[in-house]
Amino acid sequence: AQSVAQPEDQVNVAEGNPLTVKCTYSVSGNPYLFWYVQYPNRGLQFLLKYITGDNLVKGSYGFEAEFNKSQTSFHLKKPSALVSDSALYFCAVTRRGEAAGNKLTFGGGTRVLVKP
Amino acid sequence: EAGVAQSPRYKIIEKRQSVAFWCNPISGHATLYWYQQILGQGPKLLIQFQNNGVVDDSQLPKDRFSAERLKGVDSTLKIQPAKLEDSAVYLCASSFRVAGPKETQYFGPGTRLLVL
Repeated sequence: AQSVAQPEDQVNVAEGNPLTVKCTYSVSGNPYLFWYVQYPNRGLQFLLKYITGDNLVKGSYGFEAEFNKSQTSFHLKKPSALVSDSALYFCAVTRRGEAAGNKLTFGGGTRVLVKP
Repeated sequence: EAGVAQSPRYKIIEKRQSVAFWCNPISGHATLYWYQQILGQGPKLLIQFQNNGVVDDSQLPKDRFSAERLKGVDSTLKIQPAKLEDSAVYLCASSFRVAGPKETQYFGPGTRLLVL
């Protein structure tokens, strides 16, 4: 079975400060990892994914994430947060080599509040 | 490029009634997913189609939920009869190629269901 933990229900940060949203995962074998963002009354928007190669992945809107295999983590980061980054963030995992399907398992989400 | 379309956006029904949701994926996307997102939780996969065939429906409550994807394009998810615990947002997603774990899933805005 695969699972994702997002240990913080909410992260508060001042505008202009660095933003980090934590994610750890559990999966048999090697993972594919994803970050999505959800704005109110909107569907999930894809931010970035780790497939293979460089452990630092760059995505949309200035976000990046670092894959750490030894710590089974995939934390999302942004050097300078904007008020418009306030939203709900989801980390998701699927297993490399999945024979059939693309069964994404999501974490419970972390609400980010960026204050002016 | 048009995104994933869903309708209706909101639905309120009484328990034991039936309801249907419609999804139109991104043009050319072979794979379609239905997720259930209960308030405060991450999305949970209900069913995955590849073209018009079912790839994974292991988490679909088949005694009350059904889904079809005729002609491999649009899809309909039905609940009959609805229970209070079915209150959730139902998200549709699609991905381009034949189902594979690397493929990015693109989500629609969701249908918010309230069962009274």
